[in-house]
Amino acid sequence: AQTVTQSQPEMSVQEAETVTLSCTYDTSESDYYLFWYKQPPSRQMILVIRQEAYKQQNATENRFSVNFQKAAKSFSLKISDSQLGDAAMYFCAYRFPFSGTYKYIFGTGTRLKVLA
Amino acid sequence: NAGVTQTPKFQVLKTGQSMTLQCAQDMNHEYMSWYRQDPGMGLRLIHYSVGAGITDQGEVPNGYNVSRSTTEDFPLRLLSAAPSQTSVYFCASSADGLETQYFGPGTRLLVL
Repeated sequence: AQTVTQSQPEMSVQEAETVTLSCTYDTSESDYYLFWYKQPPSRQMILVIRQEAYKQQNATENRFSVNFQKAAKSFSLKISDSQLGDAAMYFCAYRFPFSGTYKYIFGTGTRLKVLA
Repeated sequence: NAGVTQTPKFQVLKTGQSMTLQCAQDMNHEYMSWYRQDPGMGLRLIHYSVGAGITDQGEVPNGYNVSRSTTEDFPLRLLSAAPSQTSVYFCASSADGLETQYFGPGTRLLVL
């Protein structure tokens, strides 16, 4: 069965510094999708970044980038130039590859604190 | 666009009561889903739908029913509420299941 593991319940980073959040997953599929979502105190889930497994190039979105290691089944999120507004829960998610389904598996989350 | 809306925002139920959590989206998305979020558990998929008239079970479907009679609406029914169903419930939608998921603001449910 597919699983997603986030081994860091909580992380802290100084404002303007860089932090990396870890995520590992387990699947026997070769083609799938991986996501990072941000959940601020408002509880809204906000998409941060998406990675297609068939793409070797790591996805980037402004200050957010991923390190996708397919063989190691690792999908870490790097946040550069951290800002106070980055403080939130971050969830890693795996999306099943099959068309006609809409199944995601989420990790348990990492709470990121940004220190001024 | 209002995006994904959920009602109510907060609800208290007694054990054994039934209720329906409402979810609606105005983006003409085919794919919709319901999750529950519990402390330390992340989000777990309850049910999902890939279009009107088509639903399927997720990871934790027991005690919940869904139907999808229109593209816009995807209600979640609790048949006989139990304290174990105390949680925050999120509805999400997506254009084709591979693109961005849009989440609603959540419904906090307390079952006494």
